[in-house]
Amino acid sequence: GQQVMQIPQYQHVQEGEDFTTYCNSSTTLSNIQWYKQRPGGHPVFLIQLVKSGEVKKQKRLTFQFGEAKKNSSLHITATQTTDVGTYFCAARYNFNKFYFGSGTKLNVKP
Amino acid sequence: SAVISQKPSRDICQRGTSLTIQCQVDSQVTMMFWYRQQPGQSLTLIATANQGSEATYESGFVIDKFPISRPNLTFSTLTVSNMSPEDSSIYLCSVEEFSTGQYFGPGTRLTVT
Repeated sequence: GQQVMQIPQYQHVQEGEDFTTYCNSSTTLSNIQWYKQRPGGHPVFLIQLVKSGEVKKQKRLTFQFGEAKKNSSLHITATQTTDVGTYFCAARYNFNKFYFGSGTKLNVKP
Repeated sequence: SAVISQKPSRDICQRGTSLTIQCQVDSQVTMMFWYRQQPGQSLTLIATANQGSEATYESGFVIDKFPISRPNLTFSTLTVSNMSPEDSSIYLCSVEEFSTGQYFGPGTRLTVT
């Protein structure tokens, strides 16, 4: 079946350092979505990328969609303790199917 | 964005019994999804429930085990039937509006003893 690989599994950073998580698919995606899940909470939608090579920014977060629409990244500049959580990508291959990556758990040390 | 509630928030059930989880949305939405998430793990799509049609199940999930109802555009139920300890998990419903992103309910934490 379809799979989307997400790395790294864990990332521990010092507050103020940058953080990046990557998602890769072996087949072309229709679009990709990113979510953040705080400990004990439910996933919260961050953004959706649709176009080849698309780059979107939300304050300190930068999201990219690869030219071939097979990979995506989320980059956080100057992490803060409020960024702690697990970040998931969700790959959409067709209208009704989402496949979530394994997630990257981010820990930020103050 | 849609506001979603789920009932119950958690339950402890005996093996062999069934539990029905309710998902209520504050607005009419076409697409609704049911997921399962083991603690510390990723989300696995169980099925897509669109109003007016039968639910579409993902590989590894069958209607006899996880029957779903979608009687209208604001409500859905997922039943976990003939439960075993392997069904212990968090069950989440989500909705998507205009293909712009999913909004999740708070989840139902199920423990089967």
